[in-house]
Amino acid sequence: GQQVQQSPASLVLQEGENAELQCNFSTSLNSMQWFYQRPGGSLVSLFYNPSGTKQSGRLTSTTVIKERRSSLHISSSQTTDSGTYLCAMDSGGNYKPTFGKGTSLVVHP
Amino acid sequence: GALVYQYPRRTICKSGTSMRMECQAVGFQATSVAWYRQSPQKTFELIALSTVNSAIKYEQNFTQEKFPISHPNLSFSSMTVLNAYLEDRGLYLCGAREGLGNTGQLYFGEGSKLTVL
Repeated sequence: GQQVQQSPASLVLQEGENAELQCNFSTSLNSMQWFYQRPGGSLVSLFYNPSGTKQSGRLTSTTVIKERRSSLHISSSQTTDSGTYLCAMDSGGNYKPTFGKGTSLVVHP
Repeated sequence: GALVYQYPRRTICKSGTSMRMECQAVGFQATSVAWYRQSPQKTFELIALSTVNSAIKYEQNFTQEKFPISHPNLSFSSMTVLNAYLEDRGLYLCGAREGLGNTGQLYFGEGSKLTVL
């Protein structure tokens, strides 16, 4: 079945540093989505990006289908970026969105 | 814009009792709804996928008898955790998708946190 490997599991940065989060998937890709999970548990959709590159402010998502990977880049990190980042993907065949295990990001002032 | 409201936000129930949670899509037609549970260890498990006009598909380790789901129209879905025990605790999330076929982004509700005493 489809598997999603998310890395790193955790990341600690000083404010102002950049972060690169990765998601690798084992099957063909139909959709890829990046989320930020608030401390209370709710999910905020950052990007719906099944292919190519999308940017929103300091966040950039790049999905390369042939290489079966997607990345989330955070530039000039801020303390408010701290939290858990999750990717979710599904392959076209079984249409079951599968989550990675998340990256826990801590940004120190 | 597209929004998903999920309620209740949190429930504390006694062991052996049941909890019902609801998911309301606003601003789009939820042709499919995926119910997840996030365990205290933070991993997401897909419980079931419900698509309008199709049978609800449950994942391994989850059954209709334990987690009955209703998806009566394009804006509403509900799931009940029957006879909840300690291992059922966690954050339950519904993710709704619009459109036909297998495309489109998921819109999530805020989750229903279940604590079992």
